Amino acid sequence: DTEVTQTPKHLVMGMTNKKSLKCEQHMGHRAMYWYKQKAKKPPELMFVYSYEKLSINESVPSRFSPECPNSSLLNLHLHALQPEDSALYLCASSQEGSSRTYEQYFGPGTRLTVT
Amino acid sequence: AQSVTQLGSHVSVSEGALVLLRCNYSSSVPPYLFWYVQYPNQGLQLLLKYTSAATLVKGINGFEAEFKKSETSFHLTKPSAHMSDAAEYFCAVNSGGYQKVTFGTGTKLQVIP
Repeated sequence: DTEVTQTPKHLVMGMTNKKSLKCEQHMGHRAMYWYKQKAKKPPELMFVYSYEKLSINESVPSRFSPECPNSSLLNLHLHALQPEDSALYLCASSQEGSSRTYEQYFGPGTRLTVT
Repeated sequence: AQSVTQLGSHVSVSEGALVLLRCNYSSSVPPYLFWYVQYPNQGLQLLLKYTSAATLVKGINGFEAEFKKSETSFHLTKPSAHMSDAAEYFCAVNSGGYQKVTFGTGTKLQVIP
């Protein structure tokens, strides 16, 4: 199984709402990633978890809160978002280790609209 | 520091024609390079990767890329374009912290029937 799943597929939320994005993989990968992708742009790295610990935070605003409950699951908690946060949110996973050759496997993304 | 430059944000080819998507990299250490494809409203899918084992890399769907150190390039090619190849293509490099991949700005491939 080389699939990364993400739910929900689409999400519309108001600026005062709290919502969560979910990501799951069963490939035994120990590195998991959150990316934000605006239209016609490449993915921008937000967070990296390695062995369930946060290893990289690319200076993301605190209204985005990641969580890695176990090695297969990755959540992104959203609170008090702004309209400019509307984007496609992609989850990815990869093998973990000292190699730079490991490719990332991406989920289909969650299309988020903040109203 | 690492970066990739994709020349041409939009490339159009006729069905059956050669596909050439350009990628040049900048890296202070030997790079590892990747090509990903993204279909509309989907995530990214790996086409191929260069990890120093061979300079000519073959990937899925008939794509291949050649690593040329002297030209700092990793161009993606396919001999004959198919309508299903229409998508956004991203070149990416990993030459720094091993968890961080830097993506190029992308090239949208249009295939004309």
